[in-house]
Amino acid sequence: GEDVEQSLFLSVREGDSSVINCTYTDSSSTYLYWYKQEPGAGLQLLTYIFSNMDMKQDQRLTVLLNKKDKHLSLRIADTQTGDSAIYFCAESIDNQGGKLIFGQGTELSVKP
Amino acid sequence: SQTIHQWPATLVQPVGSPLSLECTVEGTSNPNLYWYRQAAGRGLQLLFYSVGIGQISSEVPQNLSASRPQDRQFILSSKKLLLSDSGFYLCAWSRRPMNTEAFFGQGTRLTVV
Repeated sequence: GEDVEQSLFLSVREGDSSVINCTYTDSSSTYLYWYKQEPGAGLQLLTYIFSNMDMKQDQRLTVLLNKKDKHLSLRIADTQTGDSAIYFCAESIDNQGGKLIFGQGTELSVKP
Repeated sequence: SQTIHQWPATLVQPVGSPLSLECTVEGTSNPNLYWYRQAAGRGLQLLFYSVGIGQISSEVPQNLSASRPQDRQFILSSKKLLLSDSGFYLCAWSRRPMNTEAFFGQGTRLTVV
């Protein structure tokens, strides 16, 4: 079945770049997503990439997609303490943006 | 603009009691609606989704049910809660037909004691 995997923790210093990695198994996924969750809150959609793209940039965020290796990454430039949160990678099922398989989430800790 | 509301924000219920969580979406019509559960280990699991009034699809067998009595209202229910129903429940919606992005509510923290 479908599966999405992420490392559980990442710690960086303020001002450095953060790179959060994700691998997925379903090569038929149309879209791949990055969500952010702050403590006790819901999920905020950060960005998504269409499966026929290799890269997408949105301000401080850069998403890279390697379809051959089924690897997705999120790079946050100039990481700030406000970026501390859990970041979830997700892939769509049945071409539906709301039917998602999520990874376990990567907890990003930004130290001043 | 579109907004999604969930209530209550937190809930403590005894084992065996009933449950009703409500989710409403404003500013759009005929959305797809979804219920997810986030267990303590962080992973999110899709429980139910709906493409229209009265149309519910269940993704996993469980002690819960869902209903959609109105276009923008999605309800998660249980007749008798189990300890294992504890978790963080999130409602989400996506547009039709361009079903690209899903937007989540702020969630309900349910603790069954």
